Amino acid sequence: NAGVTQTPKFRVLKTGQSMTLLCAQDMNHEYMYWYRQDPGMGLRLIHYSVGEGTTAKGEVPDGYNVSRLKKQNFLLGLESAAPSQTSVYFCASSYLRLSRDGYTFGSGTRLTVV
Amino acid sequence: AQSVAQPEDQVNVAEGNPLTVKCTYSVSGNPYLFWYVQYPNRGLQFLLKYITGDNLVKGSYGFEAEFNKSQTSFHLKKPSALVSDSALYFCAVSRDMNRDDKIIFGKGTRLHILP
Repeated sequence: NAGVTQTPKFRVLKTGQSMTLLCAQDMNHEYMYWYRQDPGMGLRLIHYSVGEGTTAKGEVPDGYNVSRLKKQNFLLGLESAAPSQTSVYFCASSYLRLSRDGYTFGSGTRLTVV
Repeated sequence: AQSVAQPEDQVNVAEGNPLTVKCTYSVSGNPYLFWYVQYPNRGLQFLLKYITGDNLVKGSYGFEAEFNKSQTSFHLKKPSALVSDSALYFCAVSRDMNRDDKIIFGKGTRLHILP
């Protein structure tokens, strides 16, 4: 029972490079989310999706794009990485009710932009 | 708009003593309240939630939380702390008014249990 799987777990990028973070869930969850975690800032929502083919902006969407082509996958893209995007990125998912059942989190991707 | 506050960045407790991690919230309507725990280099793990009913909610690893509507608080408690409880704890709040309601997380409280 894998739950929410994030790849890669670690990555170092040079400023200006691009990359895609993959989140996959096997729980048939409708809703998926991308957060970033920074010291003293808690979790901040980047983008989220309420179903296959849909995406929406969260609290800090600038510099990121997302896609949800398949229900089980939610991709987070950085087109031109900046040092300010150095962070730990978490993917989460939830079932039908957006807020009632809580979220299941992946183990995170630690990204460093130099 | 919803918000949640964790007034303490860090809490230190001696092993075997009771622990409390504080959380207050602001939400219009009835709140849904959650506690999550994060161990080093891991994702957040669900501990417990309050949706409705009994104000005292019991969760994983011996933790419990008390919903206090008049004080808009949802403090996390444990009668006897273990060193293994040392971790980062997040309080979160939401409501279920419409489809776009999301869970809002606090900034986290780091709990240190001293041997």
